[in-house]
Amino acid sequence: QQPVQSPQAVILREGEDAVINCSSSKALYSVHWYRQKHGEAPVFLMILLKGGEQKGHEKISASFNEKKQQSSLYLTASQLSYSGTYFCGTERASNTGKLIFGQGTTLQVKP
Amino acid sequence: DTAVSQTPKYLVTQMGNDKSIKCEQNLGHDTMYWYKQDSKKFLKIMFSYNNKELIINETVPNRFSPKSPDKAHLNLHINSLELGDSAVYFCASTRSRSQETQYFGPGTRLLVL
Repeated sequence: QQPVQSPQAVILREGEDAVINCSSSKALYSVHWYRQKHGEAPVFLMILLKGGEQKGHEKISASFNEKKQQSSLYLTASQLSYSGTYFCGTERASNTGKLIFGQGTTLQVKP
Repeated sequence: DTAVSQTPKYLVTQMGNDKSIKCEQNLGHDTMYWYKQDSKKFLKIMFSYNNKELIINETVPNRFSPKSPDKAHLNLHINSLELGDSAVYFCASTRSRSQETQYFGPGTRLLVL
């Protein structure tokens, strides 16, 4: 039931790009992306809704393939501040707000 | 002003004790949640309330009891604490029940000795 994220960890240099994937075996209603820095709370990045609507951060993009139940988060021209653990949260049924989070992807951006 | 606040921030206690964690949101949201994040960073939903009504009750031991006195507050009481309860507990809120941004509180770091 828990979505699977890949890769588990990635190390980048500033300015490089990264893609984080989230895959579910169940039909999804929406996919949410959050970033958590060490010792802090998760912070919202993006919501992708069934039907194609997106809500979120201007500098971060994502896609949602409803047929494959997969979502990808695209981080371009990475900055040091992008470092942290990225979680996808999947919502399976409407009107519940219940998110099942993936195991997280740790991103480290080096100077 | 902090949007979602939790108290206490840290909680160190002995096995067998009973403890409570409090959460308050000043965003005017209708829905609030409790999550548990373990040492491997796995973030798992425990409970959710919508306008004081329990709408999500995941498989957690009945030693955990949430209470929502009003829609701005959600508390979590834990009886007979066990070592495995050690974790970070996050409260979150959303404007409504579905497809909404979840705003997380700063977390309560619980350590059971």
